[in-house]
Amino acid sequence: AQSVTQPDIHITVSEGASLELRCNYSYGATPYLFWYVQSPGQGLQLLLKYFSGDTLVQGIKGFEAEFKRSQSSFNLRKPSVHWSDAAEYFCAVGWSGGYQKVTFGTGTKLQVIP
Amino acid sequence: EPEVTQTPSHQVTQMGQEVILRCVPISNHLYFYWYRQILGQKVEFLVSFYNNEISEKSEIFDDQFSVERPDGSNFTLKIRSTKLEDSAMYFCASRADKAVEQYFGPGTRLTVT
Repeated sequence: AQSVTQPDIHITVSEGASLELRCNYSYGATPYLFWYVQSPGQGLQLLLKYFSGDTLVQGIKGFEAEFKRSQSSFNLRKPSVHWSDAAEYFCAVGWSGGYQKVTFGTGTKLQVIP
Repeated sequence: EPEVTQTPSHQVTQMGQEVILRCVPISNHLYFYWYRQILGQKVEFLVSFYNNEISEKSEIFDDQFSVERPDGSNFTLKIRSTKLEDSAMYFCASRADKAVEQYFGPGTRLTVT
């Protein structure tokens, strides 16, 4: 069964600092990988996705993620964090068969300090 | 930009009552989903729906749950007899044909007392 691990429950960074959120997945084939962001009281907004091709994918709001098959990882990065990036970030995995339900990680809550 | 909408944003109900959560998926999407997130836990898949029938469901989605697409725009989740443990945020999502990504609505927070 597919699974997603986000080892960091809570991360605090200073505004302007770089950010990397970790995500590891378990799945037998090449998965579809996603990062979603959830601001307080809001729904889940898609930041970026990977399903084939270039392993470095660009998303909205200046985020990028890199798929590393050898490490089963899909880490999210941003070179300079803004206060408005404070939110909870979810890594998720889908698969190419069936009707593509998505399995989510437990989330990483990002706090940004001035 | 088109988006998934959900109503109500918050629903409070008593244990044993029936609730219907409503969703309007993005208009040209063909695949529809419900997920839930119990407070402090991760988002969990409940059910997927395609071509007017359930295509996949999780073990959470027991006989107390049902889904329906009553017309060309709405997609509903019904819980027949709510339990305290049904208290959660329920998210609707939709996906276009040949796409991989799902778009989520803002959620309905269900509180069962």
